[in-house]
Amino acid sequence: NAGVTQTPKFQVLKTGQSMTLQCAQDMNHEYMSWYRQDPGMGLRLIHYSVGAGITDQGEVPNGYNVSRSTTEDFPLRLLSAAPSQTSVYFCASRLYRPGHYNEQFFGPGTRLTVL
Amino acid sequence: SQQGEEDPQALSIQEGENATMNCSYKTSINNLQWYRQNSGRGLVHLILIRSNEREKHSGRLRVTLDTSKKSSSLLITASRAADTASYFCATGASGGSYIPTFGRGTSLIVHP
Repeated sequence: NAGVTQTPKFQVLKTGQSMTLQCAQDMNHEYMSWYRQDPGMGLRLIHYSVGAGITDQGEVPNGYNVSRSTTEDFPLRLLSAAPSQTSVYFCASRLYRPGHYNEQFFGPGTRLTVL
Repeated sequence: SQQGEEDPQALSIQEGENATMNCSYKTSINNLQWYRQNSGRGLVHLILIRSNEREKHSGRLRVTLDTSKKSSSLLITASRAADTASYFCATGASGGSYIPTFGRGTSLIVHP
């Protein structure tokens, strides 16, 4: 299993540009999520999904869109990049069983810089 | 808002020593998880302890949970240079959508 994969590893954008961060997992996990990690802030949840066709907002959703058309993929779109979105982005997945928490598997991250 | 808060923010020890880091949280939880993050990498799950458990072991890791004090501790015994990493606690709230909330982490440096 490749686990959770993310592309690209690094990206530099100019203010106002849009882009999509890719995330894929091959573990047949229902739950997928996106976090951003900033120095001294820990991980903050952006969006999450509990299955294909179902998405919901996390703690910091503004400026980001997601969709979940398949179980495997959960892309994150930046609509109009801003310097405040400079961060490291992590995708994670896990089995989803209502009433249960399971360990999350994280991707290697995408380091994004917005100039 | 972040539920769990780790303490200390940074910890520096010598190889062979034990490392203890703590996590405090504010509301009732279903479980608490500890993760490790090596520099420039994603997080790796270490251990999960449920609210009805008081202690759990995994290799050189020992986790305790005190729900009356709303706190948990992670003990790494006989630390190695390879344990150098950031450690995060993630709390899962009782009820709700079972989404874990991460703290800011403890940065551990183990000197060889």
